[in-house]
Amino acid sequence: KAGVTQTPRYLIKTRGQQVTLSCSPISGHRSVSWYQQTPGQGLQFLFEYFSETQRNKGNFPGRFSGRQFSNSRSEMNVSTLELGDSALYLCASTQGYPSYGYTFGSGTRLTVV
Amino acid sequence: AQSVTQPDIHITVSEGASLELRCNYSYGATPYLFWYVQSPGQGLQLLLKYFSGDTLVQGIKGFEAEFKRSQSSFNLRKPSVHWSDAAEYFCAGSLGAGGTSYGKLTFGQGTILTVHP
Repeated sequence: KAGVTQTPRYLIKTRGQQVTLSCSPISGHRSVSWYQQTPGQGLQFLFEYFSETQRNKGNFPGRFSGRQFSNSRSEMNVSTLELGDSALYLCASTQGYPSYGYTFGSGTRLTVV
Repeated sequence: AQSVTQPDIHITVSEGASLELRCNYSYGATPYLFWYVQSPGQGLQLLLKYFSGDTLVQGIKGFEAEFKRSQSSFNLRKPSVHWSDAAEYFCAGSLGAGGTSYGKLTFGQGTILTVHP
């Protein structure tokens, strides 16, 4: 069974640009969550999608948005990039509830210059 | 406030020695608890999870963890560490009910494990 796939693995963007990251969950998993990982703040929850609906969100500015498609693949978009957005962005998939556990992808390393 | 705390930022052990990584949580009920391991530049790999029932949980790679409600702890242990265990370890909890818990794990700050030969 294929794992959680995140593309691209690395990205370099300039301040003010926007970026879109992609996450393909494990087949059959309907929930996709996104996390930001930085050395200073650690792992922080961005938002979660289930059946194309955002069910939960963390405390991030509106520049961070996401969506989920009917095949459960999810995208995350960051607009007007700031230097502080440089981070490893991880997505995780699950069948739908915490009790199922979460499987993480390898992440997308975003560098903003 | 609901939180997960890993008191040790960095632990160094010798290969073959036993290991215990500490994790404490703050939550009004019994949370779902997880331990993950992360190698540099990689994603998170699930070692084990606790939902209910037996408080001693077995995981992959020879790891186990014990849930202690009285101490609000979920410490990770391994009887004999291998050099390949060197990595960063994260304790995480699903701390919330209903919608506030969907997809959201609260992570500790992580413990970096160094293994000396």
